[in-house]
Amino acid sequence: DVVLTQTPPTLSATIGQSVSISCRSSQSLLHSNGNTYLHWLLQRPGQSPQLLIYLVSRLESGVPNRFSGSGSGTDFTLKISGVEAEDLGVYYCVQGTHAPYTFGAGTKLELK
Amino acid sequence: QVQLKESGPGLVQPSQTLSLTCTVSGFSLTSYNVHWVRQPPGKGLEWMGRMRYNGDTSYNSALKSRLSISRDTSKNQVFLKMNSLQTDDTGTYYCTRGPPITTFDYWGQGVMVTVSS
Repeated sequence: DVVLTQTPPTLSATIGQSVSISCRSSQSLLHSNGNTYLHWLLQRPGQSPQLLIYLVSRLESGVPNRFSGSGSGTDFTLKISGVEAEDLGVYYCVQGTHAPYTFGAGTKLELK
Repeated sequence: QVQLKESGPGLVQPSQTLSLTCTVSGFSLTSYNVHWVRQPPGKGLEWMGRMRYNGDTSYNSALKSRLSISRDTSKNQVFLKMNSLQTDDTGTYYCTRGPPITTFDYWGQGVMVTVSS
């Protein structure tokens, strides 16, 4: 199975600070059809996960544009440009290129 | 609007079978995939399996021998059955919609399942 390694495990930030989360894959996530099925989810405390970014860099409808995704192959990054209080929670990367789907272990974003 | 809602028993005895239902609205099961994802308390997410729009299923190999996913399109429901439950199967079970591109775009509220005698 594909292993997704997220760093850091915990991120402390102040409101307005820009932060980045890394997700590294044990295999290339480039599918033979040309898509890279690497997505980012946010799980706020006590809530279900929600999709933020799909296919590496595409912003899900309704998600603020302070969120952005980048990367290719095995290295991917989620960036938040100006953290807001509502951004606190656990961020997960997930891949769907190789069966079975696998998730990163998560990065907890907390207030400093 | 798109909604998914999980239902099932909150408590299951060890070695017994878990049966969960995901009832969907706002979209057709014959047009979208539905996945099951679980989360042990305080831990991360684990993909369990998928019901494809065409009725095909796929499973996490670690659970495949114990897991079955089925559906009733007339009732807009997807079912999960997992046998031989153990205490480490305790957690929150989610169903989530999975279009090919925007996978996991809608999630249910989750149902907490405790495996205990």
